[in-house]
Amino acid sequence: NAGVMQNPRHLVRRRGQEARLRCSPMKGHSHVYWYRQLPEEGLKFMVYLQKENIIDESGMPKERFSAEFPKEGPSILRIQQVVRGDSAAYFCASSPPYLNTEAFFGQGTRLTVV
Amino acid sequence: EDQVTQSPEALRLQEGESSSLNCSYTVSGLRGLFWYRQDPGKGPEFLFTLYSAGEEKEKERLKATLTKKESFLHITAPKPEDSATYLCAVRAGGSYIPTFGRGTSLIVHP
Repeated sequence: NAGVMQNPRHLVRRRGQEARLRCSPMKGHSHVYWYRQLPEEGLKFMVYLQKENIIDESGMPKERFSAEFPKEGPSILRIQQVVRGDSAAYFCASSPPYLNTEAFFGQGTRLTVV
Repeated sequence: EDQVTQSPEALRLQEGESSSLNCSYTVSGLRGLFWYRQDPGKGPEFLFTLYSAGEEKEKERLKATLTKKESFLHITAPKPEDSATYLCAVRAGGSYIPTFGRGTSLIVHP
């Protein structure tokens, strides 16, 4: 059973470009979470999705950021017109549709904005 | 607002020197407390889930315990390969969203 797959592992974008981060959850998992991690900081929640639904996006900036989890295919975190402050590690986690279970993380995408 | 506080922020141990990491939480209706290990440049790796006060889980040199206000991760006779950042997270009430503490960075010297 493959784990949570994220790609790309590393992404370099120039200021003003778009970044697309992909996350394929573990088999049987229907819940996806996106977190951002800055050096020396903890994991900050961004958005929680189920298939075709955004359940909670309270941690995601209102401007330039969007997320989706279509019926088919991976979950996508999209950052438009990137700025240097967007440079961070972005982690995706998935869990089965039970309230109390643990979430499993991917290896992350490290975004660098130059 | 749910809060998770981990201490100490950093811990240096000699190989074989046992110690404990702390995770204190203030939540409404704990639905699960989770421990993860994170190595540099990698994603968090799941270690344990605890659900109720008094519960304990063990894996190799690690043992996690839970009270109504905090959890401890005990490390017995650590080895250099136990060096990592240890993260604690909680789920509370009706929320699906795990809230993380800032972690404890552990370095074990040979």
